[in-house]
Amino acid sequence: QVLLQESGPRLVRPSETLSLTCTVSGGSISSNYWTWIRQPAGKGLEWIGRIYTSGSTLYNPSLKSRVTMSLDTSKNQFSLTLTSVTAADTAVYVCARRPTTGGIYDYWGQGTLVTVSS
Amino acid sequence: DIQMTQSPSSLSASVGDRVTITCRASQSISTNLNWYQQKPGKAPNLLIYAASRLQSGVPSRFSGSGSGTDFTLTISSLQPEDFATYYCQQYYSSPRTFGQGTKLEIK
Repeated sequence: QVLLQESGPRLVRPSETLSLTCTVSGGSISSNYWTWIRQPAGKGLEWIGRIYTSGSTLYNPSLKSRVTMSLDTSKNQFSLTLTSVTAADTAVYVCARRPTTGGIYDYWGQGTLVTVSS
Repeated sequence: DIQMTQSPSSLSASVGDRVTITCRASQSISTNLNWYQQKPGKAPNLLIYAASRLQSGVPSRFSGSGSGTDFTLTISSLQPEDFATYYCQQYYSSPRTFGQGTKLEIK
């Protein structure tokens, strides 16, 4: 059973940088797409972007200028950095796995609420 | 971006009812559509992929249909554990986009 667990600061100040890590256990981080999705309170799901095990990335154009994703295969982890945050970035951030074939997200983390506030 | 519009936004139903949720894409996405169920405080759970294929382990009362721009998720006989929020998601193109969700509540 593949498990994903998000970690990182729960409170970020406006204009600062949000940084989260997703640790993958029960399987290798190789040969899959690793994705970040967020969900503001009471709202729907927003795809932030994904990173492949080769390190190639694809970001949502609405966030592209502020997003960076990276991968650490030695630790079986991948990370999200979002710069210049505002209150609009307050959301539950979730990491998920997408196999290379098809477009499903088959394993998800539990999500972590990140609040942007001074 | 491809916009995904679900209807209704919320729905009240009783145990045993047959329920249908609709998802419409702003352009044709062939059958590149998934359905997820989400319960409060939990991550989404994949129900249907490729518009009509039942994910392993998902009860057969769930079914999906459609292609192009119009899709439906049907629950043939609601069970108490089915009361949740349902999302459609397209993977025809990036950025991947989700519907706004349909909250299924107990009548």
